[in-house]
Amino acid sequence: DVKVTQSSRYLVKRTGEKVFLECVQDMDHENMFWYRQDPGLGLRLIYFSYDVKMKEKGDIPEGYSVSREKKERFSLILESASTNQTSMYLCASSPLMGGRATQYFGPGTRLLVL
Amino acid sequence: AQTVTQSQPEMSVQEAETVTLSCTYDTSESDYYLFWYKQPPSRQMILVIRQEAYKQQNATENRFSVNFQKAAKSFSLKISDSQLGDAAMYFCAYRVADDKIIFGKGTRLHILP
Repeated sequence: DVKVTQSSRYLVKRTGEKVFLECVQDMDHENMFWYRQDPGLGLRLIYFSYDVKMKEKGDIPEGYSVSREKKERFSLILESASTNQTSMYLCASSPLMGGRATQYFGPGTRLLVL
Repeated sequence: AQTVTQSQPEMSVQEAETVTLSCTYDTSESDYYLFWYKQPPSRQMILVIRQEAYKQQNATENRFSVNFQKAAKSFSLKISDSQLGDAAMYFCAYRVADDKIIFGKGTRLHILP
């Protein structure tokens, strides 16, 4: 069974803290993605990765960085958390099989920055 | 730039009835893929149905079917015999090759018992 897990379901951090969100997939997928989901804005792509140690900026990369040291793990880093980064963060993975590939999502991490 | 528009932020349907969720997209590509994803409350987002643009036949998955109008750039989702478990946020999405997926803003569907 396909599985994408995220390290935390809920997280509360203070402004200025460095925050790590971890995502792990067990499907040997090449592609991994980080989105943030906000009411009325849908899903917006932050970063994605096609392979280990590779990363590409999405639509809203400012204030974020990522790390992919192993194929199964894709980390999102908030270098200095701010209140406008309070959001739901979704990780996804997909195989490298062209546009028809299904994205498999994790359960999400709801982050509150105080 | 490619965009995906879901014009209905929220919809309601009576249990056992049929409902159609709208989606339009903008692209200059001829070969692409369209998806509907479902996000139930507090649960993971899952794929409902997928359509390849080069296929004229509309995709169907049990009670879920699409009406794909390529010329009109329209991709609506029809849910037949609505069930309480269909209550969710539904996202329309578009993708070209291995490029990123572009999501619409979502339609929240309520099922009335």
